[in-house]
Amino acid sequence: KAGVTQTPRYLIKTRGQQVTLSCSPISGHRSVSWYQQTPGQGLQFLFEYFSETQRNKGNFPGRFSGRQFSNSRSEMNVSTLELGDSALYLCASRPEQVLDGYTFGSGTRLTVV
Amino acid sequence: AQSVTQLDSHVSVSEGTPVLLRCNYSSSYSPSLFWYVQHPNKGLQLLLKYTSAATLVKGINGFEAEFKKSETSFHLTKPSAHMSDAAEYFCVVVWVSGNTPLVFGKGTRLSVIA
Repeated sequence: KAGVTQTPRYLIKTRGQQVTLSCSPISGHRSVSWYQQTPGQGLQFLFEYFSETQRNKGNFPGRFSGRQFSNSRSEMNVSTLELGDSALYLCASRPEQVLDGYTFGSGTRLTVV
Repeated sequence: AQSVTQLDSHVSVSEGTPVLLRCNYSSSYSPSLFWYVQHPNKGLQLLLKYTSAATLVKGINGFEAEFKKSETSFHLTKPSAHMSDAAEYFCVVVWVSGNTPLVFGKGTRLSVIA
């Protein structure tokens, strides 16, 4: 069974640019959530999608957005990049039951210069 | 607000000695609790989960954790540390009462000394 796939693994962008990250969940998982991980703030929740609808949103500015497609693949977009957006972005998917746990991808390492 | 506290930011043990990583959570509703491990430049891997079936939970790689409701704790243990256990460990809570996101502890870095 394939795991959660995140692409690309590494990105270097310039301040002011925008970026799109992709996440393909485990087959059959309809819930996809995104997290930002930095040394200073730890793991912070960005948003969660379920069946193409955003179900929860974390405390991030509007520059951070996401969407989910009918095949459950998800993308997140960050516009007008700032140096502080440099982080590891992790995607996780889960089956219908929360109790079954979340499976995480390997992440996309974004560096903003 | 719901929260998770990992009591140690860094734990260092010698190879072959026991490991104890401590986690406490704030109590509102019935929680589900997880421990995840993260090796450098990798995603998070599920070690074990508590879902109210049994208070002592066994996970992968010899790890186990005990849910103690009276102490609102879910400490992670392993009888004998291995060099490959060196990693970052996260205690994670989700409240099943609603569709709430995961709440992460700040992590505990485990070092294993030969």
